[in-house]
Amino acid sequence: EAAVTQSPRNKVAVTGGKVTLSCNQTNNHNNMYWYRQDTGHGLRLIHYSYGAGSTEKGDIPDGYKASRPSQENFSLILELATPSQTSVYFCASGDEGWGAFYEQYFGPGTRLTVL
Amino acid sequence: GEQVEQRPPHLSVREGDSAVIICTYTDPNSYYFFWYKQEPGAGLQLLMKVFSSTEINEGQGFTVLLNKKDKQLSLNLTAAHPGDSAVYFCAVSPTSGGNYKPTFGKGTSLVVHP
Repeated sequence: EAAVTQSPRNKVAVTGGKVTLSCNQTNNHNNMYWYRQDTGHGLRLIHYSYGAGSTEKGDIPDGYKASRPSQENFSLILELATPSQTSVYFCASGDEGWGAFYEQYFGPGTRLTVL
Repeated sequence: GEQVEQRPPHLSVREGDSAVIICTYTDPNSYYFFWYKQEPGAGLQLLMKVFSSTEINEGQGFTVLLNKKDKQLSLNLTAAHPGDSAVYFCAVSPTSGGNYKPTFGKGTSLVVHP
């Protein structure tokens, strides 16, 4: 069964600190995504990737970097965390191509609090 | 780009009642449509997917209707039960691969009272 895992599940960081959120998928999907979820905004796309070595900006990339070192792993990096980045972050994987249907498989989320 | 409006943002029904959530999209080239369910403290799980050529899909206790003319996608829970309480999201995507960025609605929080 498709599996996307995230670590850590909960994180408290200080303003100005560096935060790295990790995502691992065992689906062998080419595409991976990072979203943040906030009340009133739904899901907003931060960065995504088409495969190892690629990263693309989503709709709200400012203040975030992404890294895709392998097919399985996709990281979200906050170099200088700010309180406005307090949110729940979701990673997802998905495939493309005929028959793939493009549905996404989501991880359980990481709750990040920046103090 | 694609814009998706989802309504209502909150929905409260009694057990056994029906519940309807509607998404309206703007891009006529949208081809793949999805409904996701998010239970408290969890990620989104795929509930149903439909193609442009599919108008009605039925699942266990719910029906998805795609109206291409009005660019509307709806989720109808026919007899809601407390286990259906969750946040529901629609997602819409275009046909082309290689630049796949689905657009999500803002979600509907459904509460089903016993």
